[in-house]
Amino acid sequence: AQSVAQPEDQVNVAEGNPLTVKCTYSVSGNPYLFWYVQYPNRGLQFLLKYITGDNLVKGSYGFEAEFNKSQTSFHLKKPSALVSDSALYFCAVRVLSGNTPLVFGKGTRLSVIA
Amino acid sequence: ETGVTQTPRHLVMGMTNKKSLKCEQHLGHNAMYWYKQSAKKPLELMFVYSLEERVENNSVPSRFSPECPNSSHLFLHLHTLQPEDSALYLCASSQDRSGPHYEQYFGPGTRLTVT
Repeated sequence: AQSVAQPEDQVNVAEGNPLTVKCTYSVSGNPYLFWYVQYPNRGLQFLLKYITGDNLVKGSYGFEAEFNKSQTSFHLKKPSALVSDSALYFCAVRVLSGNTPLVFGKGTRLSVIA
Repeated sequence: ETGVTQTPRHLVMGMTNKKSLKCEQHLGHNAMYWYKQSAKKPLELMFVYSLEERVENNSVPSRFSPECPNSSHLFLHLHTLQPEDSALYLCASSQDRSGPHYEQYFGPGTRLTVT
């Protein structure tokens, strides 16, 4: 069975500082990994995904994520946080075999403090 | 509003009421999904439709009844709900259900409160 863990419920960072939101996964087979962001009273918005190739993936709003197969991680990063980045972030994983669903983590709330 | 739209955005209903949630996608996608989002829990996949055929039903109680009349529209019919059904209900679509690399596009959700 596939699963995703987001070990931190809450991450606080000062504006202008780098941010990291952690994600680890467990799958049988090659993973397809996604990050989504949810702003208050909104649905989830796609940020970026890893399918294959370069381990560093760049996405929307200056976010990037690094796929690390040996550590089964896919941490979300941004070099300089903005107050407007404050939101709920979800990591998700899917595998190729069969029609498996997209499995989401519980989410990490990011607060960027001015 | 483009992409995926949902109506109503907020709904309060009694336990004996019958109501429906509506979702419409303007992306030309072939797959549509209903999710339930409760506080401090992972998103729960409820139903999946591919080309208007229901292909997944994750042990959802029968008081939730989906309907997909065409590839652009998805409904969730609700009847005799329980207070624990109060949650944010999210609709999503993707280009294809079987392609694991296709990202899903979400609507803004319907905030449901059962009294």
